[in-house]
Amino acid sequence: EAQVTQNPRYLITVTGKKLTVTCSQNMNHEYMSWYRQDPGLGLRQIYYSMNVEVTDKGDVPEGYKVSRKEKRNFPLILESPSPNQTSLYFCASSTTTGVSEKLFFGSGTQLSVL
Amino acid sequence: SQKIEQNSEALNIQEGKTATLTCNYTNYSPAYLQWYRQDPGRGPVFLLLIRENEKEKRKERLKVTFDTTLKQSLFHITASQPADSATYLCARGNYGQNFVFGPGTRLSVLP
Repeated sequence: EAQVTQNPRYLITVTGKKLTVTCSQNMNHEYMSWYRQDPGLGLRQIYYSMNVEVTDKGDVPEGYKVSRKEKRNFPLILESPSPNQTSLYFCASSTTTGVSEKLFFGSGTQLSVL
Repeated sequence: SQKIEQNSEALNIQEGKTATLTCNYTNYSPAYLQWYRQDPGRGPVFLLLIRENEKEKRKERLKVTFDTTLKQSLFHITASQPADSATYLCARGNYGQNFVFGPGTRLSVLP
């Protein structure tokens, strides 16, 4: 089954404790992206990747890191989380061939930073 | 930079009526626009894609239009049902480039 898998689904942590949210897709997609969603602000893009070893900043990259060492994986790293990073996070992937570039989203990760 | 606007934060309509949601974009015309549905706490789900050279696209009770002169896409749900209640997101894309989402419109279909 084609899917984007994010882990964990829920995460509670404390300020300053490094964490990683994993994202994996099994569709051989080139494009992967991370979004955060906050009430009243909609989906805001954090980082995206057009292919392996190619990443770029989205609209709200401060406080986040990503890497794309393999095509299927695109982890989101918070080196020193702060309470303003409490949010619902989504990973998404898509092909970039131009045939049908719809995004497939993961189930989301609800992060709380205390 | 490219910006996507959706005209209403929330829209309430009566069951059986047609819901019409608007998406406007600024600057250059995207190669295509997409519409997604999102239920609370879940990831968005793709509904329809319309390319810049297409005027209209249909899928069951859904219809999308693309007007490059007005820089606008309209999303229609005909014969709306309470199960259609959700947030609908518009997104723009260009082949091989980044996706940008609008803020979404929360639709409530009242029985």
